[in-house]
Amino acid sequence: EAAVTQSPRNKVAVTGGKVTLSCNQTNNHNNMYWYRQDTGHGLRLIHYSYGAGSTEKGDIPDGYKASRPSQENFSLILELATPSQTSVYFCASGDAWGSNQAPLFGEGTRLSVL
Amino acid sequence: GEQVEQLPSILRVQEGSSASINCTYENSASNYFPWYKQEPGENPKLIIDIRSNMERKQTQGLIVLLDKKAKRFSLHITDTQPGDSAMYFCAASADTGNYKYVFGAGTRLKVIA
Repeated sequence: EAAVTQSPRNKVAVTGGKVTLSCNQTNNHNNMYWYRQDTGHGLRLIHYSYGAGSTEKGDIPDGYKASRPSQENFSLILELATPSQTSVYFCASGDAWGSNQAPLFGEGTRLSVL
Repeated sequence: GEQVEQLPSILRVQEGSSASINCTYENSASNYFPWYKQEPGENPKLIIDIRSNMERKQTQGLIVLLDKKAKRFSLHITDTQPGDSAMYFCAASADTGNYKYVFGAGTRLKVIA
């Protein structure tokens, strides 16, 4: 069964600290995405990737880095976390086209930056 | 531009009636439009999608309409039930080498028994 697994599921970080959110998919999807969800803003794209070694800036990339070391793994890195980055983060994966094109979302990571 | 506008933001309907959510997009290259349902505390889940070569698609009480000229697409939930209460998101994507998905801000649907 297709799955996207995020870790950790919950994280409390201090301002100025480094935070790494991890995402793993076993669906052999080429495309992976990182979104954040805040009340009133829906899902906003931070970074995405077409495949291993590629990362692209989404609509709100400032303050975030991404890494795609393999087809299966896509990480989101907050080098210097700020309270404004408190949010729920969703990773997703999808094919470039076809029946598995629509992004399949992970369970989410709730991040609080104090 | 690549924004997707979604309205209404809040929708309250009586059980058994229909609910309609409308989205408009800016990118004329958009050609794939998925819809997601999100329950509280859970992740968004795909419920129906439509491609630009179609104008209408229906599955299990859900109807999606697409008007490419107006750059508008809509979700219609027929015979709503309390279990349909949730957040709904529309999205648009253009598979022209850039597989970004732009989401609407969401509609909170409340079905009143």
